[in-house]
Amino acid sequence: GAGVSQTPSNKVTEKGKYVELRCDPISGHTALYWYRQSLGQGPEFLIYFQGTGAADDSGLPNDRFFAVRPEGSVSTLKIQRTERGDSAVYLCASSLLAGAGANVLTFGAGSRLTVL
Amino acid sequence: GDSVTQMEGPVTLSEEACLTINCTYTATGYPSLFWYVQYPGEGLQLLLKATKADDKGSNKGFEATYRKETTSFHLEKGSVQVSDSAVYFCALKGSQGNLIFGKGTKLSVKP
Repeated sequence: GAGVSQTPSNKVTEKGKYVELRCDPISGHTALYWYRQSLGQGPEFLIYFQGTGAADDSGLPNDRFFAVRPEGSVSTLKIQRTERGDSAVYLCASSLLAGAGANVLTFGAGSRLTVL
Repeated sequence: GDSVTQMEGPVTLSEEACLTINCTYTATGYPSLFWYVQYPGEGLQLLLKATKADDKGSNKGFEATYRKETTSFHLEKGSVQVSDSAVYFCALKGSQGNLIFGKGTKLSVKP
């Protein structure tokens, strides 16, 4: 597609529920990144994919968070047993090249998650 | 670890005023540096970048110079417009290509 697409744009859920957030990167971009942006803060890195594999998941806060990219394109961020502290905007970005030569990251508009 | 520190906002200016948003970084080596902008209701957009020391990035009248001596990448604009009202993020590129962001500085420009 023309840009990075994220769905849903807004998600309201109850504490303890399971949530999936989807990211459709720019066609042909091999690298995909997930970030979390809490109110009044800068985006915090969660996980980075190079192709289908997670090259760096050091930013995932705990084992309730998981992400997949099975075919090297669309990615899904999965959050189990959601907590109120998970409320944030989840941003996805993609880039044409991975590693040290990565191009500029292009961001999606984000998925706003609210946990009641 | 790598980190970015930028001046806290909010910053409120009158139209045509001069803008400086300070940004300093801590990193191993000389990472690429970026300024991203987030307009109200929109996603993060790249504003400008610099990939090596003494490089100057520029776009839409904004400029920032990569200063390795002071580990800084301050954002400047000589004459701001109401349409520049947004949140500005300084960032550096980590070893895996991921970006490490500052906390953001909200700019409001009044007519």
